[in-house]
Amino acid sequence: DQQVKQNSPSLSVQEGRISILNCDYTNSMFDYFLWYKKYPAEGPTFLISISSIKDKNEDGRFTVFLNKSAKHLSLHIVPSQPGDSAVYFCAASFYSGGGADGLTFGKGTHLIIQP
Amino acid sequence: DADVTQTPRNRITKTGKRIMLECSQTKGHDRMYWYRQDPGLGLRLIYYSFDVKDINKGEISDGYSVSRQAQAKFSLSLESAIPNQTALYFCATSDSGPLRTGWDEQFFGPGTRLTVL
Repeated sequence: DQQVKQNSPSLSVQEGRISILNCDYTNSMFDYFLWYKKYPAEGPTFLISISSIKDKNEDGRFTVFLNKSAKHLSLHIVPSQPGDSAVYFCAASFYSGGGADGLTFGKGTHLIIQP
Repeated sequence: DADVTQTPRNRITKTGKRIMLECSQTKGHDRMYWYRQDPGLGLRLIYYSFDVKDINKGEISDGYSVSRQAQAKFSLSLESAIPNQTALYFCATSDSGPLRTGWDEQFFGPGTRLTVL
C-alpha cells in the first residue's frame, strides 16, 4: 500500500503563474518531508524539506506547506519558470532510533511550464 | 567531477546472468542507498548502509545483494537477473552528522539503466 501519494501524474502551468504540487501520506510516523526534482537522464536533486514540527518552509521561489492533521503537504513555486519543468517527487522519512532508514517516495508529478 | 558516480550507465543483460552495479562517492558521507525507479512507480529503496559494517534491507530487497567495500563504495548485485528487474537504478548518499537535515537530504548519482532480456 502506498504510504506517500502524488495523485497528479502531470501538471501544466503557464510561465509566471504559481505551480502547486500536492502530496498525501498515510504513515503517521513520518516526521520529515522532502521534495526532489528530477530532469531526464539525471538523478533526483534535493529541492526543499520540512520537519513535522513546522507548517511552512520557504526557500526563494519554493515554499512547502505541511498540514499534519490532514497528512498533506504541498509545494508552491512562484513564479514558475521554464527551467522548473521536471518531475517532482515527494518523499518522507521517520527516525527509527538508528537513524533515518531511507526515504519513501511518491510516484512523482511531471510539471510542464508553458511559455 | 561528479560527487556520486555510477557504473555502468547503461547495461543490457540476459535472464539468469549475474550483474553488478557500482557506486562511488567523494562526498565523505557515511550513509549510502540503492533505489530502483520503474515507470509510474517512483523510487523504491532496495538496500541501505549506515557504515561499512552496517547493511540493511529496504522495501524490495528480494533478488538483490549489496556489498559495502569501503566508505566510498557501495555495489549492488543481481545474482540471477530476471526481466522484471529491468529498471533505472540510483545510488544515493547522505550525511551522518548531528543534524537531522543531513540524514535525509540524499545526493543521488546519475543512474544506471538496466535491461534484462
